[in-house]
Formats: sequence, C-alpha cells, structure tokens
Amino acid sequence: GAVVSQHPSRVICKSGTSVKIECRSLDFQATTMFWYRQFPKQSLMLMATSNEGSKATYEQGVEKDKFLINHASLTLSTLTVTSAHPEDSSFYICSARDYRGPYEQYFGPGTRLTVT
Amino acid sequence: AQSVAQPEDQVNVAEGNPLTVKCTYSVSGNPYLFWYVQYPNRGLQFLLKYITGDNLVKGSYGFEAEFNKSQTSFHLKKPSALVSDSALYFCAVRESNNQGGKLIFGQGTELSVKP
Repeated sequence: GAVVSQHPSRVICKSGTSVKIECRSLDFQATTMFWYRQFPKQSLMLMATSNEGSKATYEQGVEKDKFLINHASLTLSTLTVTSAHPEDSSFYICSARDYRGPYEQYFGPGTRLTVT
Repeated sequence: AQSVAQPEDQVNVAEGNPLTVKCTYSVSGNPYLFWYVQYPNRGLQFLLKYITGDNLVKGSYGFEAEFNKSQTSFHLKKPSALVSDSALYFCAVRESNNQGGKLIFGQGTELSVKP
C-alpha cells in the first residue's frame, strides 16, 4: 500500500529557531500534498495545500511567512516553521494524494514539535 | 460549504458488543466519504471509503459503514468490538465534483472498548 513518511518524528527546538519537517511519498507520486496541525484530542486543521512545482495555498489565518511550504518534487514536500515560538508547539501531519486517482489521501505518522 | 459532524465526543463499549460511531455530513454535490483511525501520537490510518455504488462499505479490521443519502449519514460500525479498537476516529468528506478539493474532517470521536 501507499506509504507516507515524515521526518523527524519528534523535534525540540528553542524559541526563535527554525525547524524543517519533511514529508515523503515512498511508493507513489503525489501531485498534491497537505499539511495539517492537530492539538491534543482535537481534529486536524488544514494549514495548506501544496502542488508540485507551484506555490502552496494557505488556509485562512495561517501565516505563510511563518509556515514555509516547498513541494519541489512529486515525492517530497517540506514545512519550515520559522522563528518558532512555544505556541507553535503541536503535532504536524502531512498527507499526500496519489496522482493516479482522485480519491485516496494517505497520511504520514506525524511530527511532534515542542518549542521551549 | 462542506461540513462533517460527529455528535459524540466519546463512545464507550464493552468488548464483544457491537459499536457505532456516528457521522453526518453536508455537501452541495455528491460526497466522497472516508473514515480514518488515529492511535496516540500517530498519523491517520485509512479504514474505508464510500465513492459510489453499494451503500454498505466494508473496510479494514472488520469495520463497515453505511451511506444513507436521505439522512446524510455515514455511520461506522463493527459487529464485535475489540479492546485494540480503542482509538480516535475521524469521519471526512469531499465533494465528488471537486477533484482538487480538500478533505473536511469531523471533530473526532474517542472510542473506548473495555474488557
């Protein structure tokens, strides 16, 4: 089956530093990838949609200069949290849609970000 | 606008009993419907989907869901619950005529299965 990986699984960083999270589709090509944020015991909040080779589309209220998304290839998207603050601490999940079909969306295992 | 409602924050079931996790949706066109499960500190795992055809959809781990167009519902069911089914369950919807459209998730239902 389709597998999406995320790296790192956990990261702790100091306030003011930047953190990059990678999302890879391992056995399929993904024209579209999605980035979500999830607070404890809550639903997933879509942050942005990225299409390979073009700029990401951010949801309302998400700062695009703070959450930089790059989707440079059909198997890799990155989310960079710039100048992180404690309120950015969260669980970040990516997902990827297989270009061969419009239905399936596969999720990565998530990245736990803690900003101290 | 699309929306999904999971009316129960938590569902408690005894092991061996049937379980139901409720989901209702609202879309302007025909829906694509999905159920995902999430274990602590993990990503979402796909359980099943309804795209078209038979209203009863069978998925992973013995789960099934029934699409009811008149009630705009897509409840998740399992005939006999296991303790290992305890997790957070999400229902999601996307409009079928919006190929690039995003999934809209319900707020999640925490299922607790006790021995």
